[in-house]
Amino acid sequence: ILNVEQSPQSLHVQEGDSTNFTCSFPSSNFYALHWYRWETAKSPEALFVMTLNGDEKKKGRISATLNTKEGYSYLYIKGSQPEDSATYLCAFTSGTYKYIFGTGTRLKVLA
Amino acid sequence: NAGVTQTPKFQVLKTGQSMTLQCAQDMNHEYMSWYRQDPGMGLRLIHYSVGAGITDQGEVPNGYNVSRSTTEDFPLRLLSAAPSQTSVYFCASSYEAGLQETQYFGPGTRLLVL
Repeated sequence: ILNVEQSPQSLHVQEGDSTNFTCSFPSSNFYALHWYRWETAKSPEALFVMTLNGDEKKKGRISATLNTKEGYSYLYIKGSQPEDSATYLCAFTSGTYKYIFGTGTRLKVLA
Repeated sequence: NAGVTQTPKFQVLKTGQSMTLQCAQDMNHEYMSWYRQDPGMGLRLIHYSVGAGITDQGEVPNGYNVSRSTTEDFPLRLLSAAPSQTSVYFCASSYEAGLQETQYFGPGTRLLVL
């Protein structure tokens, strides 16, 4: 059974702080790693799709890195704002047409 | 452009009743999928489809049926509802069956089984 783990489970930071969280996934049979942002009462929205070892993606103040050999990805938020408060999900795919999601990191940015 | 739509938004069922959750997308996406979201469990894949006429099971398929007669629609059927099926259900789609594609999610259906 493929397992995707995210840490920490939840996080509270002050406005302006930078933060990061981790997604761990199986290092074998890697196909892609997806990051989603999920606001309360809404549906998940895609942030990044990462496919190559060493990939770095950036969207505004949010960036992500990928290490497929050791099976982890980091998501970074620089200068957190209250509107960044959400659950951040990662999903792993291994070419079997199935996306395996982690349980997410719940971020709360305090004004 | 409506994207991925789901109906109903909320439903209450009694144990043993059947119902169909509707999902439609207008983006000509080949890949469609159904997830359930439970506290502390993340999103778990129920069934998926890589194109019209082709469906397969995900992690938690028991108690659910799907069909894909058109590219646009991917309904999820609960044959005999059980309290364990109380959950929030999300439908998602992506352009191709290749798993490097971004998935687009519908707004969700909240189901309560009494």
